[in-house]
Amino acid sequence: EAGVTQFPSHSVIEKGQTVTLRCDPISGHDNLYWYRRVMGKEIKFLLHFVKESKQDESGMPNNRFLAERTGGTYSTLKVQPAELEDSGVYFCASSRSLTSTDTQYFGPGTRLTVL
Amino acid sequence: AQSVTQLGSHVSVSEGALVLLRCNYSSSVPPYLFWYVQYPNQGLQLLLKYTSAATLVKGINGFEAEFKKSETSFHLTKPSAHMSDAAEYFCAVRGDNNNDMRFGAGTRLTVKP
Repeated sequence: EAGVTQFPSHSVIEKGQTVTLRCDPISGHDNLYWYRRVMGKEIKFLLHFVKESKQDESGMPNNRFLAERTGGTYSTLKVQPAELEDSGVYFCASSRSLTSTDTQYFGPGTRLTVL
Repeated sequence: AQSVTQLGSHVSVSEGALVLLRCNYSSSVPPYLFWYVQYPNQGLQLLLKYTSAATLVKGINGFEAEFKKSETSFHLTKPSAHMSDAAEYFCAVRGDNNNDMRFGAGTRLTVKP
């Protein structure tokens, strides 16, 4: 079974540009999560999809961030326009169910650098 | 609100020595706790999880953690460190609404030969 995949692995852009990150969850996992780790800080929750619906987007920093999950399969996270403080590692995770003990499986992350 | 605190951003041990990575939690309800590991250039991998079934939880690669309610702790241990254990370790608690995981700041483990 393939794990969670993310693309690209690294992205370097200039301030003001747009970047789109992609996440492919494990097949059959209805739940998809986005997290972000700013350098030296803890990993923080951004949002949660159940299939194609946003269940919780309380962690999204501002309206420059837009997440979509068309068709309930892969998800994209767009940052437009990017700012310096958006630099960090963006992780995607997926899980099969919503029980408290269900494991979230993480992808390798996308390292975003905004210059 | 659920949260975890990891004590020590860096821990260094000699190969063969005991590994002890500390995690304390704060929770208003019985917590569900997790330890993840991130090896260089890889994603987070689940080491083990506490789901209230047993206080001593055994995970992969010889790691285990003990849930101590009286101390609000969930420390990760391994009797004998191996060079391949060098990685960053994250303690996490399931969030209030079950939608998210709340992570500690991470502890980077170095294993010296």
